[in-house]
Amino acid sequence: AQTVTQSQPEMSVQEAETVTLSCTYDTSENNYYLFWYKQPPSRQMILVIRQEAYKQQNATENRFSVNFQKAAKSFSLKISDSQLGDTAMYFCASFSGSARQLTFGSGTQLTVLP
Amino acid sequence: ETGVTQSPTHLIKTRGQQVTLRCSSQSGHNTVSWYQQALGQGPQFIFQYYREEENGRGNFPPRFSGLQFPNYSSELNVNALELDDSALYLCASWEGTRTDTQYFGPGTRLTVL
Repeated sequence: AQTVTQSQPEMSVQEAETVTLSCTYDTSENNYYLFWYKQPPSRQMILVIRQEAYKQQNATENRFSVNFQKAAKSFSLKISDSQLGDTAMYFCASFSGSARQLTFGSGTQLTVLP
Repeated sequence: ETGVTQSPTHLIKTRGQQVTLRCSSQSGHNTVSWYQQALGQGPQFIFQYYREEENGRGNFPPRFSGLQFPNYSSELNVNALELDDSALYLCASWEGTRTDTQYFGPGTRLTVL
């Protein structure tokens, strides 16, 4: 079984600043993938970034990047140049390669302040 | 926009009733996963369907059941509704054999009174 823990229920950041959201996970598998999804007030779950666990290189998508520490089972999300539209709930998730199932954390509510 | 649609957007039911939620998957996707998201929490996996067969289930009772049709659209049925079933129900479609990335619909908000 996989577990995902997000220990920051709420965070805020000033517009144009950088913020890092934390996530830890636990799995006994070697074949797994990690994700960050955002859920704005519209409720639509939107994929932000994906990391393959067998790759050491950290994934990046424009202003979004991750710090993947496999030994520590840590997967944090860094948002650079924060924008008002980044305000949302952010979920960290782990995909099991054997069970083919996605497990979510409890989420971090990020508010970008003008 | 992911191409995944859900209906209805929201509905209200009373305890003991039955409800059916619908999900149309994105073109090219053969797997649909369903999640329950209670207010203020992360989504919890209910079950998923691959090519019309259930191939994974979370910790939900049998009164939660589903179907997948030949066009890969899917239904979630909940019998004997309880107050705790009030939640946002999300479906996600994906190509279950070759990829790991799921694309979510906008959700159905169910309120049980």
